[in-house]
Amino acid sequence: GAGVSQSPSNKVTEKGKDVELRCDPISGHTALYWYRQSLGQGLEFLIYFQGNSAPDKSGLPSDRFSAERTGGSVSTLTIQRTQQEDSAVYLCATRPTATNEKLFFGSGTQLSVL
Amino acid sequence: GENVEQHPSTLSVQEGDSAVIKCTYSDSASNYFPWYKQELGKGPQLIIDIRSNVGEKKDQRIAVTLNKTAKHFSLHITETQPEDSAVYFCAASMGGSEKLVFGKGTKLTVNP
Repeated sequence: GAGVSQSPSNKVTEKGKDVELRCDPISGHTALYWYRQSLGQGLEFLIYFQGNSAPDKSGLPSDRFSAERTGGSVSTLTIQRTQQEDSAVYLCATRPTATNEKLFFGSGTQLSVL
Repeated sequence: GENVEQHPSTLSVQEGDSAVIKCTYSDSASNYFPWYKQELGKGPQLIIDIRSNVGEKKDQRIAVTLNKTAKHFSLHITETQPEDSAVYFCAASMGGSEKLVFGKGTKLTVNP
């Protein structure tokens, strides 16, 4: 009965390092989203997975960003060669089915790039 | 693409007063408009949503209205309480896609 779980909750890294953020969705939820929330900004769409379909990567800001979802469950968002402007809260959200539009968000990973 | 404008960015009210937050959208194909509440250190949580075939929806102290012609929708909170203090986000679906486009948020403070 747990909600969407994200880890780590906080990550501090040095500029140029790679980071990997993890999202454990609610069991059975077929759709998974990654959003980025910068200070004082709204939620910026990054990528969307739905079942076995090809992911919608249209929101990824650069080729340093990638994500995968293994076995339709856990997802990881990878940022290579981090830059200071990557500092933000990265939120994962899942949806129960393709027809139920309600998103269930995790608490996010606060990424700080020094 | 879809653009969602939200205002005000901050709103301070006295406990018991009403609060209204307004959003406009650009994509006439948008058909789903949710509102999310985000408390400090937590992820956003859906509080109410409305579809394009409905003009108004109520859930206890919360209501949402939609004007499709003008492309705007509003959140109304009546009899506000200190626990209503949070950041509220509106969103609109992008026509023909599974993505939601979010406004920049409104920080609501309810003063006791």
